[in-house]
Amino acid sequence: LAKTTQPISMDSYEGQEVNITCSHNNIATNDYITWYQQFPSQGPRFIIQGYKTKVTNEVASLFIPADRKSSTLSLPRVSLSDTAVYYCLVHPGGDGTASKLTFGTGTRLQVTL
Amino acid sequence: GAVVSQHPSRVICKSGTSVKIECRSLDFQATTMFWYRQFPKKSLMLMATSNEGSKATYEQGVEKDKFLINHASLTLSTLTVTSAHPEDSSFYICSARIGTGPFYNEQFFGPGTRLTVL
Repeated sequence: LAKTTQPISMDSYEGQEVNITCSHNNIATNDYITWYQQFPSQGPRFIIQGYKTKVTNEVASLFIPADRKSSTLSLPRVSLSDTAVYYCLVHPGGDGTASKLTFGTGTRLQVTL
Repeated sequence: GAVVSQHPSRVICKSGTSVKIECRSLDFQATTMFWYRQFPKKSLMLMATSNEGSKATYEQGVEKDKFLINHASLTLSTLTVTSAHPEDSSFYICSARIGTGPFYNEQFFGPGTRLTVL
């Protein structure tokens, strides 16, 4: 499984755009990149997933360069409720034991007024 | 959307007793469920992969005789912490994987169970 590296913590003011970058230098050809959000004492929640280029949904965008050795989660106009830990995961899209996820340290985002 | 529930949400028990935690996929069938443990301010650590109708696959360092996992149906997996000790106190989270859908290997997580062993 590819190892991921992301900042331990980030601070932002409400209304700003937040970009969290994750490094995954040894990503494999059949690996996907998925981001999860976790609030205290809750299970993680799926945010977005991508394989290459750019993916956008109603809550975030995911930018993946051509070499796929990194990815950036972009949260537009964050609010206080976006304060959480964000995990970047790299994993194959297979079945069974290949589908297990390995969580890294995550990025603790603190949004203030 | 896909919903995963856990019961109980929190449990306090005495040292030496066993505790069972249930994980249910409410609106979908999950052939594969996963159990994680999370200590305060730490990341999730995968404990085991549970496949319906077969034995669970445990991660290295996880005692299978202490953490008993049963996945008897496509919507229910249970984790039993046997002879619990204070060091087993943690936040236990399950997830269930949908085999089909637009996202590869998307897992839906339960709300977690807070176990406190006195």
